[in-house]
Amino acid sequence: SQKIEQNSEALNIQEGKTATLTCNYTNYSPAYLQWYRQDPGRGPVFLLLIRENEKEKRKERLKVTFDTTLKQSLFHITASQPADSATYLCALDIVAGNTGKLIFGQGTTLQVKP
Amino acid sequence: DSGVTQTPKHLITATGQRVTLRCSPRSGDLSVYWYQQSLDQGLQFLIQYYNGEERAKGNILERFSAQQFPDLHSELNLSSLELGDSALYFCASSDRDIYNEQFFGPGTRLTVL
Repeated sequence: SQKIEQNSEALNIQEGKTATLTCNYTNYSPAYLQWYRQDPGRGPVFLLLIRENEKEKRKERLKVTFDTTLKQSLFHITASQPADSATYLCALDIVAGNTGKLIFGQGTTLQVKP
Repeated sequence: DSGVTQTPKHLITATGQRVTLRCSPRSGDLSVYWYQQSLDQGLQFLIQYYNGEERAKGNILERFSAQQFPDLHSELNLSSLELGDSALYFCASSDRDIYNEQFFGPGTRLTVL
């Protein structure tokens, strides 16, 4: 069956450290993979998009890797801050013909302690 | 602020009733997506419209329907409501139909009593 797995346990780290979140998937062949941030009771906010032929993408303190052989994406936040505390969702961009839809993982909650 | 608006913010209704959720996409965006988010199911894709036409369907129940109007705003209609329909409903928009980042609205919290 098709699955997207993100660590359901909250990730607690100290301010200034690097947070690494994992997204694994099975039986999907995504063209793109996206990462979103969601704060409680609010809509997800787009962070980064990486294509299947890209290995790594960076934006400020954020870095995403995409390994289509391992079927895994890693999301890194360097020099983490308490304001980075939120739930992070990975989403697979599944395209068939001229239609596409995002399939979201359950998300991993990150807590950055001062 | 994503530029996507949704109304109402909160909706409380009874089982068996029908409700309509409204979404206005960002200016210029042609695609509108609807999602349902509940605690146990996570964020589930329901349906996508692109420039007035249905483009993709996800796990949308037959009791639910949607449409996108000529001014590009969209409505999600939920009928014969059940307790399990209680959830956050998000609308998102994008400027293309595939391969794109999506901008989410603030959501409508539906409570079915």
